[in-house]
This record gives sequence, C-alpha cells and structure tokens, in this order.
Amino acid sequence: AQKITQTQPGMFVQEKEAVTLDCTYDTSDPSYGLFWYKQPSSGEMIFLIYQGSYDQQNATEGRYSLNFQKARKSANLVISASQLGDSAMYFCAMRGGNAGNMLTFGGGTRLMVKP
Amino acid sequence: DAGVIQSPRHEVTEMGQEVTLRCKPISGHDYLFWYRQTMMRGLELLIYFNNNVPIDDSGMPEDRFSAKMPNASFSTLKIQPSEPRDSAVYFCASSQLAGIQETQYFGPGTRLLVL
Repeated sequence: AQKITQTQPGMFVQEKEAVTLDCTYDTSDPSYGLFWYKQPSSGEMIFLIYQGSYDQQNATEGRYSLNFQKARKSANLVISASQLGDSAMYFCAMRGGNAGNMLTFGGGTRLMVKP
Repeated sequence: DAGVIQSPRHEVTEMGQEVTLRCKPISGHDYLFWYRQTMMRGLELLIYFNNNVPIDDSGMPEDRFSAKMPNASFSTLKIQPSEPRDSAVYFCASSQLAGIQETQYFGPGTRLLVL
C-alpha cells in the first residue's frame, strides 16, 4: 500500500522568502513517481512538478524545486522567492509501479504568504 | 489546447435527487479519472477508465454512484439518489498514457451540495 504524509497542515512565509513544504512517502514499489499540485482558493488542481524514483537529479520547474531524498523517502517542495499568489493548498502525490494508475494524495499543506 | 472541462461547476440539489456530473478529457488522453475531495477524507480516487473502459472502480462508495464513458471525449458520474454526505468537490482528471511518470491533469471540479 502507498501512503503520503504531509505533516504541516499550515505554514506562513514572508513574501520573497523561500519555503519548504514537507512530504514523506511509503511504498514497497521500487519504481514510483512523485507529484506536487497546487490548489488555490478557486479550487482547481494545478500540476507543479514531477520527480521519478530513478531520476538522478532533483526536479526543478521555475521557482519550484523538489528536494528528493530517496533513502529518507522524502520529497519536499521548495518554493523560492515566495509571491502572494503562492498562497494556496499544496498536495504531494505518488504513483507506484505496482499500484497501477492510482495516484495517492497526502492531506495537503496550506501555505499563506505574508506581504 | 483546452484542458479538462467539467460541468456544472456548482450544483445544489435536494436529498434524493439524481445528480449527473460531466467531464470532457483532454483530447488524445486515454485515461480518465474521477476523484472526490472532502475535508474529512481528502482526495480519493473513485474510478478510472482506459480507452473508455472502466478499469478500477474500487473507490466508488456505494451502488448509488455510477460512472460511464460512452466515448473518448465524454464521461459522466451519476449519483442516484443523492444524500447530504455526498456533498464534496468532484474532480475529473485525464492523462495521456499509463506509467508512473504520466501527469494527471485536473479539471476545475464540480462543487456539489446536497441539502
């Protein structure tokens, strides 16, 4: 069974500072993918970044980067230079090779950016 | 290119009524997923289709829920009869292929309120 844990229900960050959102996972699959989604107050789910279990380098997409520590089973999202528009819920999700196409989500972290 | 389209965006109905949610996946995507999001349970997969065929419906809560995909560009999720505990945001998502690296793209969601 797959499990995703996001231990920070809510976080504040000052505008223009960097912030790290934690995500740990548990799976017996040797092959898996990790995803981060953003859900603003308008409700849509926006894909941010992907990391594969066999990727040698940490994924980056603009201001988003993923701090992937495979031995610790963690895939933390780092947002650099926070903007007011980054205020949203952030979900970590995993898809394992043996779980078919099932995408398992964590409980989410609400990020609030202070001006 | 248009993203995943869902309708209606909001639905308010009374207990016992039939509710039909609609989804148009991204053109060329062979996989379609229905999710439900609630405060208590977070995001949970209800059912997914591959090439219009239901593959895994183990997440469908009970017989009151049914989903169909009559063609590659249209799917419905039906609740009959609806109950107040069905109140949630229902998301449709699609992906092009299977595989751990395949990103699921979400629609804007349908916010359902059953009174």
